[in-house]
Amino acid sequence: DIQMTQSPSSLSASIGDRVTITCRASQGINNNLAWFQQKPGKAPKSLIYATSNLQSGVPSKFSGSGSGTDFTLTISSLQPEDFATYYCQQYNNFPLTFGGGTKVEIK
Amino acid sequence: EVQLVESGGGLVQPGGSLTLSCAASGFTFSDHYMEWVRQAPGKGLEWVGRCRNKANSYTPEYAASVKGRFIISRDDSTNSLYLQMSSLKTDDTAVYYCVRDGLTSPRYFEVWGRGTLVTVSS
Repeated sequence: DIQMTQSPSSLSASIGDRVTITCRASQGINNNLAWFQQKPGKAPKSLIYATSNLQSGVPSKFSGSGSGTDFTLTISSLQPEDFATYYCQQYNNFPLTFGGGTKVEIK
Repeated sequence: EVQLVESGGGLVQPGGSLTLSCAASGFTFSDHYMEWVRQAPGKGLEWVGRCRNKANSYTPEYAASVKGRFIISRDDSTNSLYLQMSSLKTDDTAVYYCVRDGLTSPRYFEVWGRGTLVTVSS
């Protein structure tokens, strides 16, 4: 199975900060990498697929990059509605696997 | 509006069975692969399984943790996805989400339902 490792597991940031979350795959995944946002008590929301493609309706403050085994999610200017837990996921191989999550909290 | 509404969750004893349903609307259900994903209380996301579309023979895929115990199926005539769960264990306690995939390969997750809670306890 492909292991997905996210870092950090949590971070504290202020409104307006630029935030970067990293995700590392245990082997190459052909850029078949997605990101999800989950707020407490809510279902996950799809943000990005294929490393850098925004899902419909997702604001451009979110961006994704990377290749090979190393990927990043960047939020350009953190807003109150962005405080949540973020998950990466590889969909290149079965079983589909998720990272452990990064909780973004208010500083 | 695209909607996925899960139902059928509840309390079940270890060793018991339960079937979850996902009602889809707002899109051409028969075109899409569908997934089940679960989340144990306070934990991360875990993929459960996939059901491909008719063009791909409705072929399923399963996580090792549920293979042989869970069955994913669909009824395109009623726009419904199902998860039949048997030999349930306490570790199966989770919120179960129905997810619609995008239409391009490799399939990626697009739309999530709100989830239904399954509690396995004596």
